Amino acid sequence: AQSVTQPDARVTVSEGASLQLRCKYSYSATPYLFWYVQYPRQGLQMLLKYYSGDPVVQGVNGFEAEFSKSDSSFHLRKASVHWSDSAVYFCAVSSQGGSAKLIFGEGTKLTVSS
Amino acid sequence: GPKVLQIPSHQIIDMGQMVTLNCDPVSNHLYFYWYKQILGQQMEFLVNFYNGKVMEKSKLFKDQFSVERPDGSYFTLKIQPTALEDSAVYFCASSLRQGTLYFGAGTRLSVL
Repeated sequence: AQSVTQPDARVTVSEGASLQLRCKYSYSATPYLFWYVQYPRQGLQMLLKYYSGDPVVQGVNGFEAEFSKSDSSFHLRKASVHWSDSAVYFCAVSSQGGSAKLIFGEGTKLTVSS
Repeated sequence: GPKVLQIPSHQIIDMGQMVTLNCDPVSNHLYFYWYKQILGQQMEFLVNFYNGKVMEKSKLFKDQFSVERPDGSYFTLKIQPTALEDSAVYFCASSLRQGTLYFGAGTRLSVL
């Protein structure tokens, strides 16, 4: 069965610092992988996705993520965070066929301190 | 970007009543989803819907739940009867193809 684990429930970084949010997935075949962000009282917005090809994918607002098949990971990174990046970030996995549902991780709450 | 609208944003009902949550998906999208999120917790898949039929449902999608999209209009989630544990935020999502889901802002359901 598909599953996603985000080992860090909360992360705090200083504004301007670099960021890495961790994501590990479990899936027997090659998955589609996503990062979504949720701001307070809003729905989820997609930051980036990986389907195939270059393992480093670029997303919106300077975010990028790197797919590692050997490590079963899809960590999210940003070189320099801004206070407005404070939100909850969800990693998600989807199968390449079947019902097209997304399975989400538990989420990581990011707080950017000034 | 594409917008998914959910109406209402907050609904308060008494336990045992029926409730219908409405979702206006992106107009040309083909796949429709409902997710449930209890405050501060994980987004959990309930059901998805394609070509007029349920494709897959999770164990959270109890017998009291049903979905439909009559005449290609709103995609609805109906709960009848409601229970206390149904209190949560319900998110609707739609997609044109597999993977890239667009989410609404959610309907907060409070069952008293």
